[in-house]
Amino acid sequence: AQSVAQPEDQVNVAEGNPLTVKCTYSVSGNPYLFWYVQYPNRGLQFLLKYITGDNLVKGSYGFEAEFNKSQTSFHLKKPSALVSDSALYFCAVREPGYSTLTFGKGTMLLVSP
Amino acid sequence: DARVTQTPRHKVTEMGQEVTMRCQPILGHNTVFWYRQTMMQGLELLAYFRNRAPLDDSGMPKDRFSAEMPDATLATLKIQPSEPRDSAVYFCASGLLTPGLHRTYEQYFGPGTRLTVT
Repeated sequence: AQSVAQPEDQVNVAEGNPLTVKCTYSVSGNPYLFWYVQYPNRGLQFLLKYITGDNLVKGSYGFEAEFNKSQTSFHLKKPSALVSDSALYFCAVREPGYSTLTFGKGTMLLVSP
Repeated sequence: DARVTQTPRHKVTEMGQEVTMRCQPILGHNTVFWYRQTMMQGLELLAYFRNRAPLDDSGMPKDRFSAEMPDATLATLKIQPSEPRDSAVYFCASGLLTPGLHRTYEQYFGPGTRLTVT
C-alpha cells in the first residue's frame, strides 16, 4: 500500500531565508510524487510533480523538490521564502497500478516578515 | 481559465436533513474525485469516477452517502440523513488521465463546500 508522511505539522521561516518542507513516502515500485498548496478557504493547487527523469523538479512560484530514492524522500524547497508563501502544503504519492493519490497530513508553512 | 466549480460554497443544515453538493469538473477531464477535509483526519478520499463510472467509493459511509455523475458536466455528493460528524469541507477534483508509458495526471481542485451540520 502506498503512504506518505509529512513529519512536521508546522515550519517557521523568516522571509528571505531558504525553506524546506519534508516528505517521505512508501510504495511498492517507482513512485509518482506531487506537491500541492492550499491557501485559506481555497482548494488545493498543484505545485509540481516527479514522474521520472531528473531528480530535481522545478514547479510554480519558484518552488522545487528533490526526489531521493535511497531516502524515499521528496522534500519541497525554495531558496528565498516570501510572506505570501504562507499556506498549507501537501505531499502526495501514487504508485503505478494505483489510480488514486494518497495525501500526507499537510505541513503549515509560516513565513514571518 | 478552466477551473472546477462547486456549489454551494457554504451549507449550514440541521441534523437529519438531506445535503446535496454539486461539482462541475473541467471540460474534457475524464476523472472526478470527492474528498473530505477535517482538522482531525486531514484529506480523505471518498469516491472517484472515470468516464462517469464509479470506480471506488470505499471511503464513503455507504448507509448515508451517495455519489453520482448524471452527466459529464455534473458530479453530485449526497448525504441523507446528515449528522454533526459530517461537518467538514468537501472538495471535488478533476483530472485527465494521460496515455503513455507513465499514465498520470494532476488533479485540479474546486474551492470546496464547507458543510456545518448542527
